This record gives sequence, structure tokens and C-alpha cells, in this order.
Amino acid sequence: DTGVSQDPRHKITKRGQNVTFRCDPISEHNRLYWYRQTLGQGPEFLTYFQNEAQLEKSRLLSDRFSAERPKGSFSTLEIQRTEQGDSAMYLCASSFGGGSGANVLTFGAGSRLTVL
Amino acid sequence: AQSVTQPDIHITVSEGASLELRCNYSYGATPYLFWYVQSPGQGLQLLLKYFSGDTLVQGIKGFEAEFKRSQSSFNLRKPSVHWSDAAEYFCAVGAANSGYSTLTFGKGTMLLVSP
Repeated sequence: DTGVSQDPRHKITKRGQNVTFRCDPISEHNRLYWYRQTLGQGPEFLTYFQNEAQLEKSRLLSDRFSAERPKGSFSTLEIQRTEQGDSAMYLCASSFGGGSGANVLTFGAGSRLTVL
Repeated sequence: AQSVTQPDIHITVSEGASLELRCNYSYGATPYLFWYVQSPGQGLQLLLKYFSGDTLVQGIKGFEAEFKRSQSSFNLRKPSVHWSDAAEYFCAVGAANSGYSTLTFGKGTMLLVSP
């Protein structure tokens, strides 16, 4: 078990370009989450999947953002027509859940996006 | 909607001294509460969690936290701080409408450790 992997770790792009981030969760985890963290703030929830189904999306996830988890394993987060306000750390987390009660999220190291 | 307040943006503690980081939450039902630590360039690491039962929970690295329902608090403590504890600490509450999976985080407290 290598934990949650995110790629790339850093991305610098020009405003208006599209970017895509990939997340590989812990293999036995059926839930996958995306969070965004800006400077001086705590992580903010964006969306989560249980297996391949996207079950919840935050209001923060504008139409320019799309996330997929096509086979219930890895996930991608795409941002179209990037804006400077999209500059942030994008965190992926995974967990094993679905039964009653809470489950514990394991986070990746994040993908830092800088939009020039 | 749930929320978390961490009133201290920065705290400086001398090495070997005790530490308490404050966390207050707002949630309409029984909360699931977490403390995470984030070091530069690292992901968030879970320190401890409270789901139910004993209100004093033990975590990794010698940390503990106490859930006080009457005060809506979940403060993090450590009796003796080490230089390696310097990092940013986040308190979070779990939301019931997704099986307590989606977390709402506070803005974090940066811990500085002086020699």
C-alpha cells in the first residue's frame, strides 16, 4: 500500500488553459474525495465518489470543473479555462465506507496549481 | 450547515512546554470530530478522531483531545512539545448527510516551536 498518489505535484499554467489532475487512491478504498486548499485556509470539500458514482458536489465546483472516476479506481479532476482564482492546492483523499458510522479519510500530498 | 472555528492562527510554544490548540464546532447533531496535521509539502495526516464513547481520545505522536459537548469544543493537547511538532493543525467535523464522510475544516493553527 503506497497511500494516496497525486500527479502532477506542481502545475504552472497560463490563464485560459485547461489542466487535469490525477489521483490514485488506496486500492481497497471505495470512496474518493477532492478538496481544494488556498493559502491561509483549511481544505474545502469539492466532490466525492463512491466507486464510480459521483455522490456529492460542492457549490464551489463551478461548471469549469469536472471530476471523473470511470472505473471506480483512479480519478481525474479537470479545470477548463483556468482563472487566477483557481490557484490552490488540490487534495485528493480516499476512504473505505458505505456502512453505518463515520470513516476516516487518508489524504494525498496534493497537486499545487499556479495560474499566471 | 456545520462549521469549525480555530481561533488561533499562530501559536508559539517553547520546546518541552505543554500545548493546547482550540477548536469549536457548530453542528446540529452529534458530531464526528477529527484533528489533522499538515507539514510543508506533506498531505494531511490524521492525529486522532472522536466518534462516540469516551470523550478523551488518544492519538498518535502523544496527542490527545477532549470532546466537550456543552462547550462545542474539541481541543487538542500535548503535555510536552517537540521541535518536530511544528506544523499546521486542522480541526474538522464530519457531515451526517454523507455518512460523516465529507469533512468541514477549520482554517488551521500554525504551531511554531521555539528552542
